[in-house]
Amino acid sequence: EAGVAQSPRYKIIEKRQSVAFWCNPISGHATLYWYQQILGQGPKLLIQFQNNGVVDDSQLPKDRFSAERLKGVDSTLKIQPAKLEDSAVYLCASSPLSGNTGELFFGEGSRLTVL
Amino acid sequence: QKEVEQDPGPLSVPEGAIVSLNCTYSNSAFQYFMWYRQYSRKGPELLMYTYSSGNKEDGRFTAQVDKSSKYISLFIRDSQPSDSATYLCAMKRGGADGLTFGKGTHLIIQP
Repeated sequence: EAGVAQSPRYKIIEKRQSVAFWCNPISGHATLYWYQQILGQGPKLLIQFQNNGVVDDSQLPKDRFSAERLKGVDSTLKIQPAKLEDSAVYLCASSPLSGNTGELFFGEGSRLTVL
Repeated sequence: QKEVEQDPGPLSVPEGAIVSLNCTYSNSAFQYFMWYRQYSRKGPELLMYTYSSGNKEDGRFTAQVDKSSKYISLFIRDSQPSDSATYLCAMKRGGADGLTFGKGTHLIIQP
């Protein structure tokens, strides 16, 4: 079974530039998450989708971050304009359904450096 | 006070030792408790999952949850160099909630 795919793996940009990350979840997984992991910190939930609807985006900085999952499959996370504090690993995860178990399947992440 | 507190370490122990990793939390609504392992430059992977209070064992790993103290633990027996990683505790209230993670503890097992 193929895992969660993310691209690009690494991205370096200057502040005020824009960047987009792509995620393809495990086939058949209805729930998709984007997490931000700053160096030395645990992952922080940015947004959670159930199929193509948003379940939770309370911690997404909506003035600069946006995310979509138009067909309920793959998803894109965009940052515009980027700030220095956005330097982090952006992890995508998926799960079969929005249920009570805690098993999220994570991708390897997209590492962003903002100069 | 953060919702989930976890000592970031690093914690260094010799091979074969018993390792104890811990988290405390403040939100009494958390019902589901997990431990994830994260190797360098990889995504986290689920190690243990526990609902409510109690113990759960899986091979060399034991997870304990004490909801009255808001304290969870992960024990690793007969630790191996391959166990060297960052261990993240995570928890959720239930239903459609996303996970709230601790900072992670960086564990080093010395051969």
